[in-house]
Amino acid sequence: GQNIDQPTEMTATEGAIVQINCTYQTSGFNGLFWYQQHAGEAPTFLSYNVLDGLEEKGRFSSFLSRSKGYSYLLLKELQMKDSASYLCAMNDYKLSFGAGTTVTVRA
Amino acid sequence: DTGVSQDPRHKITKRGQNVTFRCDPISEHNRLYWYRQTLGQGPEFLTYFQNEAQLEKSRLLSDRFSAERPKGSFSTLEIQRTEQGDSAMYLCASSLQGDTEAFFGQGTRLTVV
Repeated sequence: GQNIDQPTEMTATEGAIVQINCTYQTSGFNGLFWYQQHAGEAPTFLSYNVLDGLEEKGRFSSFLSRSKGYSYLLLKELQMKDSASYLCAMNDYKLSFGAGTTVTVRA
Repeated sequence: DTGVSQDPRHKITKRGQNVTFRCDPISEHNRLYWYRQTLGQGPEFLTYFQNEAQLEKSRLLSDRFSAERPKGSFSTLEIQRTEQGDSAMYLCASSLQGDTEAFFGQGTRLTVV
């Protein structure tokens, strides 16, 4: 079985940094994805971590610790368009999603 | 190829009717996933295919739900005897392999009245 936990909501100011944590438990693990989903739209891929450590991609970075069952997504220099739901997803031979974290960016 | 395509985009049906949705994945993508999503929740896994083989089906899924991918290309998801609780967005996604990013279609929004 599997379980994924991430905070329900986060609010931050434009230009700031926000870190979204994700913890997971699973009997099979091949990596961890982060997706962004704007209201009324389909999820879009942000990052994929297979090995422990930090993956940086522009303003977004993702970290994975497999021994701790923990990941985070770091959003830097927040922009209004970053207001969205951020989904943590385990690659556990299928693709299992958490409930998502709604990030609201305020001016 | 413009991405994952789902049809129809919207479906309104009466309780008790059967509905069928279609998903056309990105060409040459071996993996195809079906999810259900309700407001404020993440996508809930329903089933997935590796080519034409259905490898896993959610235990939460009742026998009213069935999916096929007969030739390893497009897939259909059928819901029999729909119930109001089936109202949701049904998302399809495809990926080249199991360890590559999945691309989502725009979804089919089902409303059961």
